[in-house]
Amino acid sequence: ETGVTQSPTHLIKTRGQQVTLRCSSQSGHNTVSWYQQALGQGPQFIFQYYREEENGRGNFPPRFSGLQFPNYSSELNVNALELDDSALYLCASSLEGTLKETQYFGPGTRLLVL
Amino acid sequence: GNSVTQMEGPVTLSEEAFLTINCTYTATGYPSLFWYVQYPGEGLQLLLKATKADDKGSNKGFEATYRKETTSFHLEKGSVQVSDSAVYFCALSPRNSGNTPLVFGKGTRLSVIA
Repeated sequence: ETGVTQSPTHLIKTRGQQVTLRCSSQSGHNTVSWYQQALGQGPQFIFQYYREEENGRGNFPPRFSGLQFPNYSSELNVNALELDDSALYLCASSLEGTLKETQYFGPGTRLLVL
Repeated sequence: GNSVTQMEGPVTLSEEAFLTINCTYTATGYPSLFWYVQYPGEGLQLLLKATKADDKGSNKGFEATYRKETTSFHLEKGSVQVSDSAVYFCALSPRNSGNTPLVFGKGTRLSVIA
């Protein structure tokens, strides 16, 4: 167990809807990164939050957005869902904001878009 | 750019067999290297890491050595167990890169049969 929790565990949405996924970081960690893992693929970086500010972003469109709260928990929001957004969404927490530190992953939220 | 290439699976072994999963990387500078494991229905767990050339990471009987000359970080275990059945991901974190994220390979599925 890494101490990183995510909710919900599973979610089914329809195309065009919006979704919010949540992540609580490991105690003492101030940085949260989000990854998308499509079926049969490795995780792809979406973005990172450090001290409530976006601290790096991967090749994802603006309809993927996020927040980090003062207690370092985080949300991932996806608007205008598309079928290809179906994936496992992983949250990882780490200490500091350099992305060079070891990242510890939560169990993920599995999103299905119909 | 930064990339990770892993041997394609699935890999099927009998219990107590020797395991090697090949991983090579392309990166600017000297990245940190990681192996993560994903058990069925779960998120990623850090298995081991190495942060500089010739470092050996080890955990739970698994080992990998950071080879700068061959840009490799192959995962090995002398005697696998059924409980090792999972998907294994090789990943890198570039050094001195600010916000560059973890870059993952596509994963190698291992099945160990009794």
